[in-house]
Amino acid sequence: NAGVTQTPKFQVLKTGQSMTLQCAQDMNHEYMSWYRQDPGMGLRLIHYSVGAGITDQGEVPNGYNVSRSTTEDFPLRLLSAAPSQTSVYFCASIDPGRSDWAFFGQGTRLTVV
Amino acid sequence: GQQLNQSPQSMFIQEGEDVSMNCTSSSIFNTWLWYKQDPGEGPVLLIALYKAGELTSNGRLTAQFGITRKDSFLNISASIPSDVGIYFCAGKSRSNYQLIWGAGTKLIIKP
Repeated sequence: NAGVTQTPKFQVLKTGQSMTLQCAQDMNHEYMSWYRQDPGMGLRLIHYSVGAGITDQGEVPNGYNVSRSTTEDFPLRLLSAAPSQTSVYFCASIDPGRSDWAFFGQGTRLTVV
Repeated sequence: GQQLNQSPQSMFIQEGEDVSMNCTSSSIFNTWLWYKQDPGEGPVLLIALYKAGELTSNGRLTAQFGITRKDSFLNISASIPSDVGIYFCAGKSRSNYQLIWGAGTKLIIKP
């Protein structure tokens, strides 16, 4: 089982550039989410989706957009990258009706210079 | 918003020592989860707890769901080098899909 797949694993952007972080899951989970992880701050929720066509903001949504056109995919877009967005980004999917577990991708390490 | 207090923030231990960490919440949870994150990887589930008072083991790891439903504990017995990493707690209430995360406990084993 592939589980949750994130691409790319590493990325360097210049300030002002835009890019999309990809996330795909093959577990048919309705709930997907994006987190950023910064040293000493744990995991902070950026955006989440409870199903195709439904998205909502998390704790730190500014500067990011998401869409959910299919159950499998949940891309995260950085509109105009800033150095403050240098972080490690994790995508996760949850099957809340069964186990409440969050399954994580391997992460994308993003550096904005 | 909701917050989890996870402590300690980091631990330096000798190989073979037992480790304890805990999380407390201002809110009641119906699910407590413990994850471990290895360097360069995403968090991986260690133990899931669903009932107040529940005590669950996974090898040398034991976790408990507090009676008040506002706290949880993780113990690691006889630590070994591969135990190093960051341990996260997460809680969930029945009414919400979202998981609330602790800030993590970084475990470092002294050579």
